[in-house]
Amino acid sequence: EAGVAQSPRYKIIEKRQSVAFWCNPISGHATLYWYQQILGQGPKLLIQFQNNGVVDDSQLPKDRFSAERLKGVDSTLKIQPAKLEDSAVYLCASSLDITGGSETQYFGPGTRLLVL
Amino acid sequence: AQSVAQPEDQVNVAEGNPLTVKCTYSVSGNPYLFWYVQYPNRGLQFLLKYITGDNLVKGSYGFEAEFNKSQTSFHLKKPSALVSDSALYFCAVRDGGYQKVTFGIGTKLQVIP
Repeated sequence: EAGVAQSPRYKIIEKRQSVAFWCNPISGHATLYWYQQILGQGPKLLIQFQNNGVVDDSQLPKDRFSAERLKGVDSTLKIQPAKLEDSAVYLCASSLDITGGSETQYFGPGTRLLVL
Repeated sequence: AQSVAQPEDQVNVAEGNPLTVKCTYSVSGNPYLFWYVQYPNRGLQFLLKYITGDNLVKGSYGFEAEFNKSQTSFHLKKPSALVSDSALYFCAVRDGGYQKVTFGIGTKLQVIP
């Protein structure tokens, strides 16, 4: 079974530029998550999708971050414009379903973003 | 609001010795508790979880964790540490009545040969 795929693996941009990350979850997984992991911290949930609907985006900085999962499969996270403090690893995860809350999340390798 | 605390930034243990990585949590409902491991330049990997039932949960790579409701703890343990266990370990909690998972800040485990 293929795991969660993410691209690119690394990205370096200058502040005020735009950047987009792509995630393809495990086949059949209804729930998709985007996390931001700043160095020395635990992952912070940015947005959570159930199929193509948003379940939680309370910690997404909506003035600059956006995400979509149009067909309920792969997803794109965008930052526009980027700030220095956006430098982090962006992790995508997926799980079968969020019903009951006990399901395991499977993580991709992450995209490491450096904003100069 | 739910929260997770990992009180130790780093744990050092000699190879072959038992290891413990500590985690405490706070939720309003029934907790769902998870442990994940992160190796350098890789994503998080699931180790084990507690949902209900037996307080001692066994997981991957010989790890286990004990759920203690009175102490609101979910410490990760292994009877005999391996050098290959050296990694970053994250505890996470989900309130049974709410869907977001909250992660701790992580504990770096260093197993010394």
